Amino acid sequence: NAGVTQTPKFQVLKTGQSMTLQCAQDMNHEYMSWYRQDPGMGLRLIHYSVGAGITDQGEVPNGYNVSRSTTEDFPLRLLSAAPSQTSVYFCASSYTAGGTQETQYFGPGTRLLVL
Amino acid sequence: GENVEQHPSTLSVQEGDSAVIKCTYSDSASNYFPWYKQELGKRPQLIIDIRSNVGEKKDQRIAVTLNKTAKHFSLHITETQPEDSAVYFCAASITGTASKLTFGTGTRLQVTL
Repeated sequence: NAGVTQTPKFQVLKTGQSMTLQCAQDMNHEYMSWYRQDPGMGLRLIHYSVGAGITDQGEVPNGYNVSRSTTEDFPLRLLSAAPSQTSVYFCASSYTAGGTQETQYFGPGTRLLVL
Repeated sequence: GENVEQHPSTLSVQEGDSAVIKCTYSDSASNYFPWYKQELGKRPQLIIDIRSNVGEKKDQRIAVTLNKTAKHFSLHITETQPEDSAVYFCAASITGTASKLTFGTGTRLQVTL
């Protein structure tokens, strides 16, 4: 198993450009999430999904869109990049068995710089 | 929503000493509390977690304690080693809420020789 994979590893954008951060997992996990990590602020939840076709907003959703057409993939779209979106983005996946919260596995991250 | 506070923000200990990191949470419905270790430039990795039906959990040199009444939980690392140097994050969530973790702001632990 590759686990959770993310592409690209690093990206530079100009203000106003759009891009999609890719995330895929091969563990057949129901749940997938996107977090951003900024210095001194820990990780903050952007959007999450409980299964294919179902997504919802997290703590900091503005400026980001997501979709979940398959169990494996959960792309994050920036429609019009802003310097405030400069951050490290982590995708994560997990499953719940019998109502018990299970381990959340993180991808390697995408470092995004918006000029 | 949930709010998780973590202290201290930095912690320096000598090799072999113990390290303690503390977190408080605001939502009494939270019942799952994982701890993550993040090395520089790497992804967060789970090192231990605890559920609200347990007061303490140990895994070799690492232990976590939970006080539901006071709404705080702590990470204890004994016999620290240089490879324990990293940033540690606590988090909280409610079982069944699709992995919606709320993270603390992190503690940078430095273990000196």
